[in-house]
Amino acid sequence: SQQGEEDPQALSIQEGENATMNCSYKTSINNLQWYRQNSGRGLVHLILIRSNEREKHSGRLRVTLDTSKKSSSLLITASRAADTASYFCATDVRGSTLGRLYFGRGTQLTVWP
Amino acid sequence: DGGITQSPKYLFRKEGQNVTLSCEQNLNHDAMYWYRQDPGQGLRLIYYSQIVNDFQKGDIAEGYSVSREKKESFPLTVTSAQKNPTAFYLCASSTRASGGYNEQFFGPGTRLTVL
Repeated sequence: SQQGEEDPQALSIQEGENATMNCSYKTSINNLQWYRQNSGRGLVHLILIRSNEREKHSGRLRVTLDTSKKSSSLLITASRAADTASYFCATDVRGSTLGRLYFGRGTQLTVWP
Repeated sequence: DGGITQSPKYLFRKEGQNVTLSCEQNLNHDAMYWYRQDPGQGLRLIYYSQIVNDFQKGDIAEGYSVSREKKESFPLTVTSAQKNPTAFYLCASSTRASGGYNEQFFGPGTRLTVL
């Protein structure tokens, strides 16, 4: 399947540390997106990176994309307890005009005060 | 405020009953989606729709049905044929852009429990 896979499944760090999550996928993409989900809530879009982009920043977030390796990473710098959530990558498959995304299982990030 | 709403937040169903989950958006988005999320899992696509009066099955459509009579609304019916419906259901919408679609906006979800 096209499903993205996040790694690690769970990550536990102290406030102030950086958190890095990785995503791998299988086929060519139009773009890759990262979402955040607090427990029991809907997903919130964080950042979208297109297939012709290699790096993108948004506040404390940095996303990289390596299409040759079919992988992406999300870096959260100077983590805060409020960053505790699940993080999902999602891919928009190249050639598809249908708008559907393929989600991974997510990385559960816990940031300890 | 623009956004996407789902109701109810919690829903309890007896075995053999059909239930309908509501999803409404005022973002003027063409595309709408229904996902199912089980504990510790990612999102699995149930149905999606790009325009009014048209929708496509996702990966786990069996036991579910949808309609798209209005651009703003995309209700999901969980039928008695769905054998294990207890899950968290998420609705989303997005808009078309050059080269694909933009990001998806999600509702707050409906937690369905079968008694």
